[in-house]
Amino acid sequence: GDSVTQMEGPVTLSEEAFLTINCTYTATGYPSLFWYVQYPGEGLQLLLKATKADDKGSNKGFEATYRKETTSFHLEKGSVQVSDSAVYFCALSDSGGGADGLTFGKGTHLIIQP
Amino acid sequence: DVKVTQSSRYLVKRTGEKVFLECVQDMDHENMFWYRQDPGLGLRLIYFSYDVKMKEKGDIPEGYSVSREKKERFSLILESASTNQTSMYLCASSRQATNEKLFFGSGTQLSVL
Repeated sequence: GDSVTQMEGPVTLSEEAFLTINCTYTATGYPSLFWYVQYPGEGLQLLLKATKADDKGSNKGFEATYRKETTSFHLEKGSVQVSDSAVYFCALSDSGGGADGLTFGKGTHLIIQP
Repeated sequence: DVKVTQSSRYLVKRTGEKVFLECVQDMDHENMFWYRQDPGLGLRLIYFSYDVKMKEKGDIPEGYSVSREKKERFSLILESASTNQTSMYLCASSRQATNEKLFFGSGTQLSVL
């Protein structure tokens, strides 16, 4: 079945550092890929998405490129801020994010220190 | 502002009790989902529904049931709560169209003693 693997946390960085959170996936079809973010005490919210190979999703300074050849969707940001501290989830949908939901990775806890 | 509202933020129940977790969305979404979130395990899909009175099992439906009598409301039911059901429960909704994002509620932290 489908699965998502992302790097274990917590990941601790200093403010203005470069961020990479790795994500690889296994899927039978041609999935859509997502990054969700969960701030403390809140539910998840969509950060960015990509629906086909070589697409780049971007939002709030974060980027991720859909790499079919390496089955990866790594999250990057050039200069992180304290406010980026959160749990980040990589996810995929084989049905395009429709009726049967998403398959999530285990989450990566990001801590940004001032 | 669009919203998915879960009725309780924190809930404490006894083993064997019947537990209802309620979720309401105001976006007229067709799809609704229940996930549980556990440390080290991420989010796992319990049940989902793509229409009123319709329900489908997710990856871990054992010990749970759901009800969707109205489009905006999706209830998760623990028929006889057990300690291994202590978890954070997240409700989500989305449009029927493909590639649409999920909107999540803030979650219900359930403790079963």
